[in-house]
Amino acid sequence: QLQLQESGPGLVKPSETLSLTCTVSGGSIRSSSHFWGWIRQPPGKGLEWIGSVYYSGSTYYNPSLQSRVTIAVDTSKNQFSLRMNSVTAADTAVYYCARVAYSTRYYLDYWGQGTLVTVSS
Amino acid sequence: DIQLTQSPSFQSASIGDRVTITCRASQGISDSLAWYQLKPGKAPRLLIYDTSTLQSGIPSRFSGSESGTEFTLTISSLQPEDFATYYCQPLYGYPQFTFGPGTKIDIK
Repeated sequence: QLQLQESGPGLVKPSETLSLTCTVSGGSIRSSSHFWGWIRQPPGKGLEWIGSVYYSGSTYYNPSLQSRVTIAVDTSKNQFSLRMNSVTAADTAVYYCARVAYSTRYYLDYWGQGTLVTVSS
Repeated sequence: DIQLTQSPSFQSASIGDRVTITCRASQGISDSLAWYQLKPGKAPRLLIYDTSTLQSGIPSRFSGSESGTEFTLTISSLQPEDFATYYCQPLYGYPQFTFGPGTKIDIK
C-alpha cells in the first residue's frame, strides 16, 4: 500500500523559508506514470494546489505561488520536497503531499496525512 | 477566472439519508471531475475520478454522475464514517489542480 508522509518544522517565522519533505513508501517515486504534488489548506478554508513534480524534475506550479515556490525530487531517498520563501501569516496551513495519477485526466489518488505549518514570530 | 461552486455548502443529515452534492463551474471547465473526502487529522481520500469511476476500496454507496455542466456526488445511505467535508476537482490534461469550495456533511 502506497504511503506518503510529510515532515518538517511546524513553526516558521515571517519572511523566512518554509521547507517540507514528503517521504514515499510502498512504491517508487521513479514511476513513469505519476507526478507528485503539494496541496495546502489554510485553517477554515478550502484546498489550494501548490505544485507538481515528475521524477525527472519537471515541474508545474500554481501561478499565484510560483515566484516563491520550489518543488524538487530526490529519487535516491524516494522523497520530494517543497520550499516556499518569504512566508507570511497567510501561508499558515495544513500542507499535504499527494501522488498524481492519470487515467484520461490527472487526479490525486494517494495523500499524506498532512502537517500543520504555522507562520508566526 | 473560472468560479467553481458546490451546493450545499453545509448539510445536516442523519444516518441512512441519501445525500447529493453538486459541483458547477461559471463556464466550461472540463468534461470530467474527481471527488475527495476530507476529515480532520486524516489523509484525504479520493472517492471518484473520471466523473463516475469509483476508486478502489471505496464503498459502492458513493457514486458520481454528470448532467450537462453539473456534476453530482451521491451517497446512497449515509454512514457514521461519512460525516466529513467533500471537495470536487475538475480534471485536466495536465497536472494542475483547482478545487471546489467544499461541502460539509454534519450529523443532524
